[in-house]
Amino acid sequence: QKEVEQNSGPLSVPEGAIASLNCTYSDRGSQSFFWYRQYSGKSPELIMSIYSNGDKEDGRFTAQLNKASQYVSLLIRDSQPSDSATYLCAVKMNTGFQKLVFGTGTRLLVSP
Amino acid sequence: SAVISQKPSRDICQRGTSLTIQCQVDSQVTMMFWYRQQPGQSLTLIATANQGSEATYESGFVIDKFPISRPNLTFSTLTVSNMSPEDSSIYLCSVEPARSTDTQYFGPGTRLTVL
Repeated sequence: QKEVEQNSGPLSVPEGAIASLNCTYSDRGSQSFFWYRQYSGKSPELIMSIYSNGDKEDGRFTAQLNKASQYVSLLIRDSQPSDSATYLCAVKMNTGFQKLVFGTGTRLLVSP
Repeated sequence: SAVISQKPSRDICQRGTSLTIQCQVDSQVTMMFWYRQQPGQSLTLIATANQGSEATYESGFVIDKFPISRPNLTFSTLTVSNMSPEDSSIYLCSVEPARSTDTQYFGPGTRLTVL
């Protein structure tokens, strides 16, 4: 089982729709969760961090965390073509050096 | 967050040679890391660069191949030694500005092609 799993996509949504990106993780003791956005040829850019169960909203982005189900998601409301990118889920593991482990990323395509 | 720069931004190298990548941060940071992102893949942690001591390497990465220095709290280097085409990748520096933030920020990356 991979430590952090994401559907590679692509996830295609029309402009204005809600994009839902999902991630599961294996380490039940993990406490810190992050979503990064990566445009082609660029480095990852932090969008959201979440630490507690429930929802956390920031503008058009909402991160959702369910530690019991070991599940974290990112919702993008009113999706725009400029949101087209790869979204990386990252989990800080609760073992050893508490390293950040990344999923393989979900490619999002927002069509005009 | 922190402003992070990397040099070079890209390079094309011959097999058997070595390349040193520099990472500079505009403020003192607690933690610095080096990642590799192979074409079409996600990020893999190479090592944690420790200030004043040897780096901590992840499984599959060794000091002889990827020597790392961190002479102070704002600067680190990663050397890719005795390169082969399989080392062609993007190398990324990241920093965790303070223990309390628990958040990593990435530099712009170095795109390496080995012929």
